[in-house]
Amino acid sequence: SQTIHQWPATLVQPVGSPLSLECTVEGTSNPNLYWYRQAAGRGLQLLFYSVGIGQISSEVPQNLSASRPQDRQFILSSKKLLLSDSGFYLCAWSDPRPNTEAFFGQGTRLTVV
Amino acid sequence: AQSVTQPDIHITVSEGASLELRCNYSYGATPYLFWYVQSPGQGLQLLLKYFSGDTLVQGIKGFEAEFKRSQSSFNLRKPSVHWSDAAEYFCAVGAFSNDYKLSFGAGTTVTVRA
Repeated sequence: SQTIHQWPATLVQPVGSPLSLECTVEGTSNPNLYWYRQAAGRGLQLLFYSVGIGQISSEVPQNLSASRPQDRQFILSSKKLLLSDSGFYLCAWSDPRPNTEAFFGQGTRLTVV
Repeated sequence: AQSVTQPDIHITVSEGASLELRCNYSYGATPYLFWYVQSPGQGLQLLLKYFSGDTLVQGIKGFEAEFKRSQSSFNLRKPSVHWSDAAEYFCAVGAFSNDYKLSFGAGTTVTVRA
């Protein structure tokens, strides 16, 4: 069966520090991968998605970037965190077929202080 | 591009009472529709999904949803709510816009009172 791992679960970082959140998927190949951010009352905002290695699409301009160095690895990064980057970040994967749901990791609570 | 609206930010319901959560979508073609549930501090769990066929779909935990094309709606229902149903619920639509993506509504928080 497929599983998705996302870490760390909680992170407190100072303003201006770098960020690296990692997500890996097991039990499937060539998945679509997604990074979402969740803010209270605003639902899930799609930040990045990837349909293959090295293929990253950004949905909104921001202080973050994403990379997909391996087929089942998706990394969310920042060179210098802002206070506004605080939030709950969720990684997800889906089968590349168009009629499938997304499966989510447990999320990372990021607090920038 | 597709979009999803969940008109109710917060709903309070008594345990044992029925629950209905509203979802309206915007998409030019036949959408793929989903309902997810999120417990505090956790990821999202799929409750049910609609792709085609019978417009009334059954999901886990006793939930069901009905797709109404004429109203562009996909409302979630449960006949009798349990205290463990207190959570945040998200409606999502999957559609093509260059690539296949899921777009989520803002969510509805459900509080269950004894």
